[in-house]
Amino acid sequence: DQQVKQNSPSLSVQEGRISILNCDYTNSMFDYFLWYKKYPAEGPTFLISISSIKDKNEDGRFTVFLNKSAKHLSLHIVPSQPGDSAVYFCAASPGTYKYIFGTGTRLKVLA
Amino acid sequence: EAGVTQFPSHSVIEKGQTVTLRCDPISGHDNLYWYRRVMGKEIKFLLHFVKESKQDESGMPNNRFLAERTGGTYSTLKVQPAELEDSGVYFCASSQGRLEAFFGQGTRLTVV
Repeated sequence: DQQVKQNSPSLSVQEGRISILNCDYTNSMFDYFLWYKKYPAEGPTFLISISSIKDKNEDGRFTVFLNKSAKHLSLHIVPSQPGDSAVYFCAASPGTYKYIFGTGTRLKVLA
Repeated sequence: EAGVTQFPSHSVIEKGQTVTLRCDPISGHDNLYWYRRVMGKEIKFLLHFVKESKQDESGMPNNRFLAERTGGTYSTLKVQPAELEDSGVYFCASSQGRLEAFFGQGTRLTVV
């Protein structure tokens, strides 16, 4: 039973436009959410995070939104750049040190 | 500052053989984790060390997997005997606190 779901395996966006990556979760005990970016043959790299007591966190071109009532979070990248092309993983922490990851969304930013 | 380092980057072994993966965490990170990604699916938690102690090993699939962390520094993950379903990419991560773990580049294990 997957507690963190990324239902879109892939997404293509034109350079300069907004990329929106979505993530749904089922466990209301998650208290912290993170997004990781992964390039081929590399490990995941931390991108941005949000505590469950907040609904928005922004860092430069990256913004994460959390809707607790819908158990949904999203990552907005604006403007999208070709270097943003990667696999993006949503992860959640159930109040412990471990993360529960989604299956990832492959983002392709077209020049 | 060196990141999380994993050895080897690739390993191909036959079913029934033994393989040992190594992870060197970021210096000063007490928390060390092992994760696994199988066939493009989600990255799954295996276990968590705090220094040399296993804090959470709820994700270890079975007793063919043995993880150790000698002296609270580097860690090894041994698979013995390896089965076909053990193929995947094994990631190690480390952190100072609970949040923002840093991942290594992974070890791609192929069991044939």
